Amino acid sequence: DAGVTQSPTHLIKTRGQQVTLRCSPKSGHDTVSWYQQALGQGPQFIFQYYEEEERQRGNFPDRFSGHQFPNYSSELNVNALLLGDSALYLCASSLMGQNSYEQYFGPGTRLTVT
Amino acid sequence: AQSVSQHNHHVILSEAASLELGCNYSYGGTVNLFWYVQYPGQHLQLLLKYFSGDPLVKGIKGFEAEFIKSKFSFNLRKPSVQWSDTAEYFCAVNNRAGTASKLTFGTGTRLQVTL
Repeated sequence: DAGVTQSPTHLIKTRGQQVTLRCSPKSGHDTVSWYQQALGQGPQFIFQYYEEEERQRGNFPDRFSGHQFPNYSSELNVNALLLGDSALYLCASSLMGQNSYEQYFGPGTRLTVT
Repeated sequence: AQSVSQHNHHVILSEAASLELGCNYSYGGTVNLFWYVQYPGQHLQLLLKYFSGDPLVKGIKGFEAEFIKSKFSFNLRKPSVQWSDTAEYFCAVNNRAGTASKLTFGTGTRLQVTL
C-alpha cells in the first residue's frame, strides 16, 4: 500500500522564480492538503483540495496556488519566490467523509530560495 | 481562529524517565486532537488521536494522551522513554466545521533521550 509520495525531495530556486511541487495521495484517499513547515516551527496549513477544487485556504498570499487532478494527485505552485518561502512543504492526504480528519503526511519537499 | 500552544520547546530526559508534554488549544467548538511525531530524517507520523469517547487515548509505542475539556488540554505521556523516542513531537487540532479539515499545529517539542 503506497503512502503519500512527494517530488522532488529537494529544490533550490532563486528569488523571483516559480516552483511546482507534486504530491500523490495514499491509495484510496481523495483529499490533499498542503502545509508549509519553516525551520523550528510546526506545519502551517496552506490549502486543501477535494474534487479538483480548493476547499479551504490558510493565510497564504495568492502567490501560492494549487491544482488537483482527476487521479487525486496534486500540485502546489509558488510564484515570485521570496527568501521567506524557504521551508519544508508537506503534503497530506485523507479520505473525505467520516475519516476526513485523519491525515497522512508525505516526506516533504525541502525548498531553498537563494 | 484556533491555536495550539506547546509549552516545552526542548526536553532532555534520561532513558526510563517519565515523559509529559503539554498541549493547550483554543477553540470554542468541537475539536479533534492529535499528536504527531517526526523522527530524525523521517516524515510526520500519527502517534495518537482523540475524536470522542474515552478522554484517555492510547497510541503507538506506549504513548498515551488525556483530553481535559475544561482545561483545553491534550497532554502526551509515556511512563518510561527509550532512546528511540528522540524526535520532534507536534500537537495538532482541527475543528469539525464543515467537511474541510485543516490541522492547526503547535510549534513542536524536541525530545532528546540520553542513554
